[in-house]
Amino acid sequence: RKEVEQDPGPFNVPEGATVAFNCTYSNSASQSFFWYRQDCRKEPKLLMSVYSSGNEDGRFTAQLNRASQYISLLIRDSKLSDSATYLCVVAIYNQGGKLIFGQGTELSVKP
Amino acid sequence: DVKVTQSSRYLVKRTGEKVFLECVQDMDHENMFWYRQDPGLGLRLIYFSYDVKMKEKGDIPEGYSVSREKKERFSLILESASTNQTSMYLCASSLKGLAGDEQFFGPGTRLTVL
Repeated sequence: RKEVEQDPGPFNVPEGATVAFNCTYSNSASQSFFWYRQDCRKEPKLLMSVYSSGNEDGRFTAQLNRASQYISLLIRDSKLSDSATYLCVVAIYNQGGKLIFGQGTELSVKP
Repeated sequence: DVKVTQSSRYLVKRTGEKVFLECVQDMDHENMFWYRQDPGLGLRLIYFSYDVKMKEKGDIPEGYSVSREKKERFSLILESASTNQTSMYLCASSLKGLAGDEQFFGPGTRLTVL
């Protein structure tokens, strides 16, 4: 079983749609959680951290459920520029900054 | 702005050649990482380093070695390149942290081994 699992998609949605991505992680010692975004032929970049209380950044909302070992990302009012691959990322305490990446979920927003 | 640079965007090598991939970061980060990224497999950690001259194996170290002689530079070495090492190679760096600081990535090197 992979340590971090995501639905690879692709998710094809029209502009303005709301789309949700889910992610599960297997290691209960996981300490920190993130969503990274990777545009086609580009490097991954941090989109947002995920906190236990849930957090929002504009149209993006991230949630964490430690009991179920589940992370989600909600994108409201999708824009064409949101088309990218979204990577679910987990860090385990005291592993030298090592991050564990999910395989990524591809999103394509169409006009 | 943090900048991570990699020596080449595209590289073509022959089977059996020794290949050096260089990575430099300019933000005085302690941690540096080498990943490869393949379709359907995502990002896989090859090696990482949390200090000069220190290195740790990642999930797929076989066929690779690394060198970190200076804090800002982390090199990935393919001792004898093979076709199954054709991939996108990404370098990253982060501050020293216990629970996962943000990693900043270089633009990647697309290596083709013929």
